[in-house]
Amino acid sequence: EVQLVESGGGLVQPGGSLRLSCAASGFTFNSYNMNWVRQAPEKGLEWVSHISSSGNTVFHTDSVQGRFTIFRDNAKNSVYLQMTSLRDEDTAVYYCARDSSVAADFDYWGQGTQVTVSS
Amino acid sequence: RMTQSPSTLSASVGDRITITCRASQRVTSLLAWYQQKPGKAPKLLIYKTSSLQSGVSSRFSGSGSGTEFTLTISSLQPEDFATYYCQPYNTYSAWTFGQGTKVEI
Repeated sequence: EVQLVESGGGLVQPGGSLRLSCAASGFTFNSYNMNWVRQAPEKGLEWVSHISSSGNTVFHTDSVQGRFTIFRDNAKNSVYLQMTSLRDEDTAVYYCARDSSVAADFDYWGQGTQVTVSS
Repeated sequence: RMTQSPSTLSASVGDRITITCRASQRVTSLLAWYQQKPGKAPKLLIYKTSSLQSGVSSRFSGSGSGTEFTLTISSLQPEDFATYYCQPYNTYSAWTFGQGTKVEI
């Protein structure tokens, strides 16, 4: 069974940093691209970051470029999101999502971890 | 940009409903649909416009091409009351979602 379990969320002050983790199991992790998708309170879904299976290719949405970094450790079956210079508008539930192997969508999602940026 | 309509849809159990996702220009040939229930992660329902994800009920179906795509639920069940999002396969380096359609009683 495919499982994605996020951790690392919490309350942080504006300008602070946080590292999210996503532990994967039930599939060959190093064969899949991975993503972070967030959802602000009462809002829709927003893709944040993507990393290729090897970790050599990454993409970030414009609003987090230069502040967030996605990386992975295939030996630990984990993907991470390092978030710095956090802003109020980064407050959201952050989901880890696996790229489908057959299409450009996300076939498995974690349960999410809450990030709250507030003074 | 993909625009979903309606934003909210009021329906009853047993109804046939359709949700539409439109692009201002032809930005994709394919898209996916997700279902999200309150407090839960999104769930992939339809991929490549019309392919049913494994384990998803056949009352869900997808169609469309070019600038207009639809998600249809043939006979609404109590567990189908949720928010639905479309996601076009537009560019490899950035992924977007429609703004969502809430299906309520």
